[in-house]
Amino acid sequence: DAGVIQSPRHEVTEMGQEVTLRCKPISGHDYLFWYRQTMMRGLELLIYFNNNVPIDDSGMPEDRFSAKMPNASFSTLKIQPSEPRDSAVYFCASSPDWASGNTIYFGEGSWLTVV
Amino acid sequence: AQSVAQPEDQVNVAEGNPLTVKCTYSVSGNPYLFWYVQYPNRGLQFLLKYITGDNLVKGSYGFEAEFNKSQTSFHLKKPSALVSDSALYFCAVRGGFQKLVFGTGTRLLVSP
Repeated sequence: DAGVIQSPRHEVTEMGQEVTLRCKPISGHDYLFWYRQTMMRGLELLIYFNNNVPIDDSGMPEDRFSAKMPNASFSTLKIQPSEPRDSAVYFCASSPDWASGNTIYFGEGSWLTVV
Repeated sequence: AQSVAQPEDQVNVAEGNPLTVKCTYSVSGNPYLFWYVQYPNRGLQFLLKYITGDNLVKGSYGFEAEFNKSQTSFHLKKPSALVSDSALYFCAVRGGFQKLVFGTGTRLLVSP
């Protein structure tokens, strides 16, 4: 399997611009997660989906952040408008039957820099 | 609330020597415990997990971890370190249907 695929790998954008990060989970995985990694806060769970339905978005920092999963093979994380403090690595991850303790598999991440 | 602690920011070991990366946790109920490794500019790679059963868990690249319920620990070990093992290691825990919570990470540096 190709693993979790994220795009873009690197993005540099100006403050105020809209940023869209994309993710293709591993085929057959019914859970999808978005994490953010920063030096200050470590790894934070932003939101996760089960069967394309958002289950817990309590980690989404504020209304500027939104995530969608229109089908089983695609998800987006959007930041509008972006701010310098959003600079981080954003990871998408997926899991089969996560509720039963299955492993979460991570993508390579999207490195976002907001200037 | 569940939490995980990795008390060492960095562990230094010489190649060929055994290594231990420490992890302790706090969770309600039975824990699901995981170790991941992150190489520079890469995503997290799964190493091993404990769900139930044997307390000694064997994983990828010769790593293993021992679940100790009384000490609420899940230390990562390897009998003989390689320079290529140098990376950032994360312990993670969840209890039941709770979120997976990650530790702050421990940087392992293996010197030749």
